[in-house]
Amino acid sequence: QQQVKQSPQSLIVQKGGISIINCAYENTAFDYFPWYQQFPGKGPALLIAIRPDVSEKKEGRFTISFNKSAKQFSLHIMDSQPGDSATYFCAAKGGGSARQLTFGSGTQLTVLP
Amino acid sequence: NAGVTQTPKFRVLKTGQSMTLLCAQDMNHEYMYWYRQDPGMGLRLIHYSVGEGTTAKGEVPDGYNVSRLKKQNFLLGLESAAPSQTSVYFCASSRSGQGYQETQYFGPGTRLLVL
Repeated sequence: QQQVKQSPQSLIVQKGGISIINCAYENTAFDYFPWYQQFPGKGPALLIAIRPDVSEKKEGRFTISFNKSAKQFSLHIMDSQPGDSATYFCAAKGGGSARQLTFGSGTQLTVLP
Repeated sequence: NAGVTQTPKFRVLKTGQSMTLLCAQDMNHEYMYWYRQDPGMGLRLIHYSVGEGTTAKGEVPDGYNVSRLKKQNFLLGLESAAPSQTSVYFCASSRSGQGYQETQYFGPGTRLLVL
């Protein structure tokens, strides 16, 4: 059972363009939504995160938009750069004593120079 | 600080063989996790630990065992490897305490091939 659905699976963007990755969740107990960035051969690393009481969070070129009623959230990368080429995972956290992360299936982003 | 380290980086096993993956963290984190990453499926939690001497099952625990004898180490064992366990395994750790904005820090991964 996939509780966090992520799309698209892959994305190709020109340098300077906007990259948009979408995620949808089902479990209303989720209360923390991080995005992780993973470069080839490396482990995922936290990029940016949002709580459900905030509709938008921006850090530099990266913005999370959150729609609680629709149970959807998205990552926007402005002015995309070739160095942003990586796999991006959305995740959701909540419920349970260990507050486990449930990950989306990932989006492979390629930014063309 | 080395952060989270994993040993080995790569391993090839034959079906039925056993092995142990080692994860170590030097951040004094209470919580540790083992994930597997497969194409198109993201990361799935195998087992986790909320403190020394404790372990619990995650989403896909079958075929794996874990131990947390020391706070800084979390071991993942495969008693009888199967081709379906071919994957990239990631260990992660996070601090305990109040609040839910607990970043999980991931190791570099172990690539396992079971023939």
